[in-house]
Amino acid sequence: AQKITQTQPGMFVQEKEAVTLDCTYDTSDQSYGLFWYKQPSSGEMIFLIYQGSYDEQNATEGRYSLNFQKARKSANLVISASQLGDSAMYFCAMREVYNTDKLIFGTGTRLQVFP
Amino acid sequence: DGGITQSPKYLFRKEGQNVTLSCEQNLNHDAMYWYRQDPGQGLRLIYYSQIVNDFQKGDIAEGYSVSREKKESFPLTVTSAQKNPTAFYLCASEKDFRTGTAYTEAFFGQGTRLTVV
Repeated sequence: AQKITQTQPGMFVQEKEAVTLDCTYDTSDQSYGLFWYKQPSSGEMIFLIYQGSYDEQNATEGRYSLNFQKARKSANLVISASQLGDSAMYFCAMREVYNTDKLIFGTGTRLQVFP
Repeated sequence: DGGITQSPKYLFRKEGQNVTLSCEQNLNHDAMYWYRQDPGQGLRLIYYSQIVNDFQKGDIAEGYSVSREKKESFPLTVTSAQKNPTAFYLCASEKDFRTGTAYTEAFFGQGTRLTVV
């Protein structure tokens, strides 16, 4: 069954440092996509980055990169040079191609960036 | 400006009342979703619709109802049968996931915070 696990309820990082947010997933589908979303205190969900299961390169978008280890079924988000504005909830999500009815989410990690 | 709009931002419900949350999008997206978010939990799918006049139950549909009479609109009704409705509700839309790829970016509204009083 589809499942996303985020084991870090909260993380702290100092401004300008890098931080890794963990995500593991479970699927029996060979074709799937992994997503990371940011949720600031305002509540909206902001799409950050996407990784397809057949993509050979790790995805990058500005300061965000996705450390994709397919054999370990992990899709960790790396934020480089953290900024105070990065403080938010971060959700990992997955969609299976052959079960594309729904985007399922993990429980999230609250990141706090301190000066 | 294209986007997805939820209203109201805050909603209070008395015990035994039905309330309706609005979700409108002008992105010409085919699919729309309702998620529920409780503190310390991720987003759980309530209902989704891939096409007008059709919708499917998600993981926690009991106590909720929806309609999809127009492509732009996907209102969610929280009925009195929903025993614990206090939560944050998010609506999302996406263009069409039936493209043979897992990649479709979902756009979210700002959310509605529902409280039972």
